[in-house]
Amino acid sequence: GQNIDQPTEMTATEGAIVQINCTYQTSGFNGLFWYQQHAGEAPTFLSYNVLDGLEEKGRFSSFLSRSKGYSYLLLKELQMKDSASYLCAVSSGGSYIPTFGRGTSLIVHP
Amino acid sequence: GAVVSQHPSWVICKSGTSVKIECRSLDFQATTMFWYRQFPKQSLMLMATSNEGSKATYEQGVEKDKFLINHASLTLSTLTVTSAHPEDSSFYICSAERLAVMSSYNEQFFGPGTRLTVL
Repeated sequence: GQNIDQPTEMTATEGAIVQINCTYQTSGFNGLFWYQQHAGEAPTFLSYNVLDGLEEKGRFSSFLSRSKGYSYLLLKELQMKDSASYLCAVSSGGSYIPTFGRGTSLIVHP
Repeated sequence: GAVVSQHPSWVICKSGTSVKIECRSLDFQATTMFWYRQFPKQSLMLMATSNEGSKATYEQGVEKDKFLINHASLTLSTLTVTSAHPEDSSFYICSAERLAVMSSYNEQFFGPGTRLTVL
């Protein structure tokens, strides 16, 4: 099975930078996803990391270290609309179907 | 990006009745669709993988006779919650898999979810 761990809740100030960490334990790692989910809505895809390193996409960046079983999502220039749950998900074995962590609820305040 | 719709977006039903939820991929064909359930402040839990033209594959602990899945076409999968009880109240989300063209993986596109409340 997979064990995915991320903080339950984080708060940050508008305009600031926040880093959401995710650690995982799995065998046959394929890749790691980050999704954003607003309350009562479906998740939307943010990133997919297969190789080690940092991938930047606008205000959002995602980092992966396969040897450490560790990833983070970095959000810059935070906006109020970034308040949401951020889900870390891992696919492994012969399947690309991700297994989701519990999500980190991010609250951005003025 | 691709669009996946779900219907209804919310439903309230009496205990013991059955509820059908539809998941449609609007602008692509999906051989494979997935059904998830999410309780408040919990993770998305995969219930089953729906394959067009064949039987669904259920995750451990999910009753296949209670959660009936039909994937009759490449754009439609349905989940029927039979004899619903209050403990089945949850947020049900489907996703449709689009085969990789430019990327290294098959992308999943999520529907907007269906909020089920069983009284």
